[in-house]
Amino acid sequence: AQKVTQAQTEISVVEKEDVTLDCVYETRDTTYYLFWYKQPPSGELVFLIRRNSFDEQNEISGRYSWNFQKSTSSFNFTITASQVVDSAVYFCALSAIGYSTLTFGKGTMLLVSP
Amino acid sequence: DADVTQTPRNRITKTGKRIMLECSQTKGHDRMYWYRQDPGLGLQLIYYSFDVKDINKGEISDGYSVSRQAQAKFSLSLESAIPNQTALYFCATSDPTSGGTHTQYFGPGTRLTVL
Repeated sequence: AQKVTQAQTEISVVEKEDVTLDCVYETRDTTYYLFWYKQPPSGELVFLIRRNSFDEQNEISGRYSWNFQKSTSSFNFTITASQVVDSAVYFCALSAIGYSTLTFGKGTMLLVSP
Repeated sequence: DADVTQTPRNRITKTGKRIMLECSQTKGHDRMYWYRQDPGLGLQLIYYSFDVKDINKGEISDGYSVSRQAQAKFSLSLESAIPNQTALYFCATSDPTSGGTHTQYFGPGTRLTVL
């Protein structure tokens, strides 16, 4: 069975602070995909990134970066110099390669204050 | 126009009523999904369909049924709505030909309230 744990239910920061959202996963599959989605206050779910299990290179996209460590089964998400528009619920998710169903974590609500 | 649309966007209904939520997509994806989101619980999979003839139950299918009318349309029905089905419902699609990545793309959601 697959499981995704986002231990941080809610995080509050002040604008321009850096913030890291944690994601820990469990799976028996040797190959899998990890995802991050953003849900802003408007409610839609926005795809941010996909990472496969055989590529442990970290990825950076603007102020966003992701740290994948297979040894600790973690796929953490860092926002550098946070902005009010980053306020949202962020979900980490997992799927086995070859299967399309996703297992989601319960989400982390990020509140960025001006 | 949005690639994945859901109708209605908001619905208030009464206990015992039958209700249908509809999802349409223009992405040309074969796979479609229905999820529900409850506060603090993340997203839970209700049903999914890999093509028109293939329907599968997810982790919380009790009390729900689905219909895949065409590649582009996937409907979710609550035969007899109950208050604990009050939630935000999402439809999603994915394309298995995209290198097998199965990235799912979500509709805007339907907020359902059962009184």
